[in-house]
Amino acid sequence: AQSVTQLDSQVPVFEEAPVELRCNYSSSVSVYLFWYVQYPNQGLQLLLKYLSGSTLVKGINGFEAEFNKSQTSFHLRKPSVHISDTAEYFCAVTHYNQGGKLIFGQGTELSVKP
Amino acid sequence: EPEVTQTPSHQVTQMGQEVILRCVPISNHLYFYWYRQILGQKVEFLVSFYNNEISEKSEIFDDQFSVERPDGSNFTLKIRSTKLEDSAMYFCASRTGPNYEQYFGPGTRLTVT
Repeated sequence: AQSVTQLDSQVPVFEEAPVELRCNYSSSVSVYLFWYVQYPNQGLQLLLKYLSGSTLVKGINGFEAEFNKSQTSFHLRKPSVHISDTAEYFCAVTHYNQGGKLIFGQGTELSVKP
Repeated sequence: EPEVTQTPSHQVTQMGQEVILRCVPISNHLYFYWYRQILGQKVEFLVSFYNNEISEKSEIFDDQFSVERPDGSNFTLKIRSTKLEDSAMYFCASRTGPNYEQYFGPGTRLTVT
């Protein structure tokens, strides 16, 4: 069975500082990986995805993530955050042959302070 | 840009009542999903739907739940007899094919009293 662990439930940072949100997954088969963002009172928006190919994936709003198969990680990074990045971030995994069901992590609340 | 829509945005119901949550997926999408998020918890998969039938369901999706695509555009989730623990945000999602990118609706907040 697959599982996703987001190691930090809350990450407070100052504006313009770099940030890393950590995600580890567990799976015995090949997976696809995703990061979604949820702004207050809104739905889930796809930030980026890893399906295959280059392990460094770039997404919207200046975010990027690196797939590390040996460490089963898919950490999300941004070199300089803005107040508007304040939101909940979810890492998710799906097995490529499993009909697309997404397994989500617990979420990380990113709080950007001025 | 096409988007998934959900109605209502907030539904309050009494325990034991039936509720129907509605979703309009993106028009050329073929795979449909329902997820839920209990307040303060992670998003959980409920059910997936393809080719007019359920393709997978979770343990949460018991006999009290059902899904339907009645008219080729709407995708509904019905809870026959709501319980207090059904209170959650329910998200609908859809995707077009094997790129596995799911597009989510804004959610329906269900409150069972």
